[in-house]
Amino acid sequence: AQSVTQPDIHITVSEGASLELRCNYSYGATPYLFWYVQSPGQGLQLLLKYFSGDTLVQGIKGFEAEFKRSQSSFNLRKPSVHWSDAAEYFCAVGAQSGGSYIPTFGRGTSLIVHP
Amino acid sequence: KAGVTQTPRYLIKTRGQQVTLSCSPISGHRSVSWYQQTPGQGLQFLFEYFSETQRNKGNFPGRFSGRQFSNSRSEMNVSTLELGDSALYLCASKTAGGGTDTQYFGPGTRLTVL
Repeated sequence: AQSVTQPDIHITVSEGASLELRCNYSYGATPYLFWYVQSPGQGLQLLLKYFSGDTLVQGIKGFEAEFKRSQSSFNLRKPSVHWSDAAEYFCAVGAQSGGSYIPTFGRGTSLIVHP
Repeated sequence: KAGVTQTPRYLIKTRGQQVTLSCSPISGHRSVSWYQQTPGQGLQFLFEYFSETQRNKGNFPGRFSGRQFSNSRSEMNVSTLELGDSALYLCASKTAGGGTDTQYFGPGTRLTVL
């Protein structure tokens, strides 16, 4: 069975600083990988996804993530954080099934942005 | 295009009752998935429906069920509610349901079981 670990429960950064959120996964085959963001009282919004090909993936809102198979990681990065980026971030791995996939989510990382 | 809508947004029930939640996907989307989000267990996949058929199912007891109608709208039902069923229930839709399609989430239904 697949699993996802987000080692950091909370991360605090200053506005304008760079950001890296860590994600490690366990899955026996080629994974589908995702990063989602959730603001308070909202549903999830997809930031980016990886299925195959280029291991550096560009997403929305200036985010990017790099798939490293040797390290089973899919870390999310942003060069300069804005106050509006404060939210909960979830990494997920999708196990292919029935022509679609079954996602497993990490426990999330709460991002706090100081002015 | 309107986003994924879920009704009701908030719901309070008592133990032993049953509840039905509704999800209307984005127009043209044929796949609908349901998720449960709790502080204790995090985000967990319940099931996915595509063209009125359950395509995938998560590890939840049979008290949790769902269905999809011909217009792609979906409902999920929880029978014999337990306190632990209190959660945010999220619905997500995607187009043809292929593995690489992007899922779009609704705002969720907040269920409180007393």
